[in-house]
Amino acid sequence: GDSVTQMEGPVTLSEEAFLTINCTYTATGYPSLFWYVQYPGEGLQLLLKATKADDKGSNKGFEATYRKETTSFHLEKGSVQVSDSAVYFCALSDNGQGGSEKLVFGKGMKLTVNP
Amino acid sequence: DAMVIQNPRYQVTQFGKPVTLSCSQTLNHNVMYWYQQKSSQAPKLLFHYYDKDFNNEADTPDNFQSRRPNTSFCFLDIRSPGLGDAAMYLCATSRALGTSGSSSYNEQFFGPGTRLTVL
Repeated sequence: GDSVTQMEGPVTLSEEAFLTINCTYTATGYPSLFWYVQYPGEGLQLLLKATKADDKGSNKGFEATYRKETTSFHLEKGSVQVSDSAVYFCALSDNGQGGSEKLVFGKGMKLTVNP
Repeated sequence: DAMVIQNPRYQVTQFGKPVTLSCSQTLNHNVMYWYQQKSSQAPKLLFHYYDKDFNNEADTPDNFQSRRPNTSFCFLDIRSPGLGDAAMYLCATSRALGTSGSSSYNEQFFGPGTRLTVL
């Protein structure tokens, strides 16, 4: 079945450091790809998404590009802030093959950013 | 603000004592999902409702049931909680368009979760 593999961490960075979180996927069809973020004590929030090959999703300084040839969707941010401390999940959607969207998540990576 | 609400945020139950978790939404979405997230793990889909149609994941234990009395509400019932059922339970909603196989995607909106403790 479909699956997502991502860096698990935890990772600790200093403020203004560069961030990369690797994510690769396995899917039989043409999935949509997502990054979700979970702040302490809260539910998941969609950070960005890409629905087809070569699309770039971006939000709040984060970017990720849908690379079909390498089946990857790596998350990057040029300069992290303390407020970016959270758990980051890579996910894919089967685009409603079963009638409604189903998300498959990676295991998540906890990021801590120190001042 | 339109949102997904989960009650309670924290639930403590005893081993074997039935428990119900609640989810409501003001988004008028036709799909509602329940995920189980154990500590330091990815959320795992238990089941979802597409309108009134219930869709169970193949590996969801029979101990977990769900009800959706109307568009706005969806309940997760755990008939006999075991220690291994302690987890965060996340509710999500989306608006699904078109028929099976449609490539139209609508974002899933998540509630804050209910953390279940089993004593």
